[in-house]
Amino acid sequence: GAVVSQHPSWVICKSGTSVKIECRSLDFQATTMFWYRQFPKQSLMLMATSNEGSKATYEQGVEKDKFLINHASLTLSTLTVTSAHPEDSSFYICSAPNPTTSGGAGETQYFGPGTRLLVL
Amino acid sequence: GESVGLHLPTLSVQEGDNSIINCAYSNSASDYFIWYKQESGKGPQFIIDIRSNMDKRQGQRVTVLLNKTVKHLSLQIAATQPGDSAVYFCAETLSGGYQKVTFGTGTKLQVIP
Repeated sequence: GAVVSQHPSWVICKSGTSVKIECRSLDFQATTMFWYRQFPKQSLMLMATSNEGSKATYEQGVEKDKFLINHASLTLSTLTVTSAHPEDSSFYICSAPNPTTSGGAGETQYFGPGTRLLVL
Repeated sequence: GESVGLHLPTLSVQEGDNSIINCAYSNSASDYFIWYKQESGKGPQFIIDIRSNMDKRQGQRVTVLLNKTVKHLSLQIAATQPGDSAVYFCAETLSGGYQKVTFGTGTKLQVIP
């Protein structure tokens, strides 16, 4: 099946620093990727839609200047948490629709393994 | 805004029994539904999906039922195994591809050996 990877798998940083998380589609091209945040014992909340070659679309309440998204190629999207604070500590997960499944409709989304961020 | 919700946050079942996880959705425009399994510390894993023009779909040991009249979705797992222990999320979206997915609150399934 389709594989989506994330790097790093976990990161610990000091408050005020920036952290970059990478999301890669390994065996398919992804013009669209999605970024989610998940707090302990809660569901996944969509943060933004990453579009290759254009600006990301952010969900209501998500600060675009704090969570910078870059989709520079058809296999890579990055999420940068700028000036991270302890409240940004969370599990960040990306997903990508695979156009080679679901009859080419790109409806089936495959998720990365997640990146756990701890801000001290 | 509209959201997908679950009735039971935790479900405990005996190994070998069948499990039923329920979900209520509220967005009547959604026409594509997915069940995901998430193990601790990992990303969600696709289990099975169903379109709104169907009311039942079967996979290997899993069955998804959709009742559009009452906006209800369920996941049935036959002969539940310890490896099935995880959090299960239902999710809704629009067909047509590349649409954002809205997740329900999740149900934790605990399988008792």
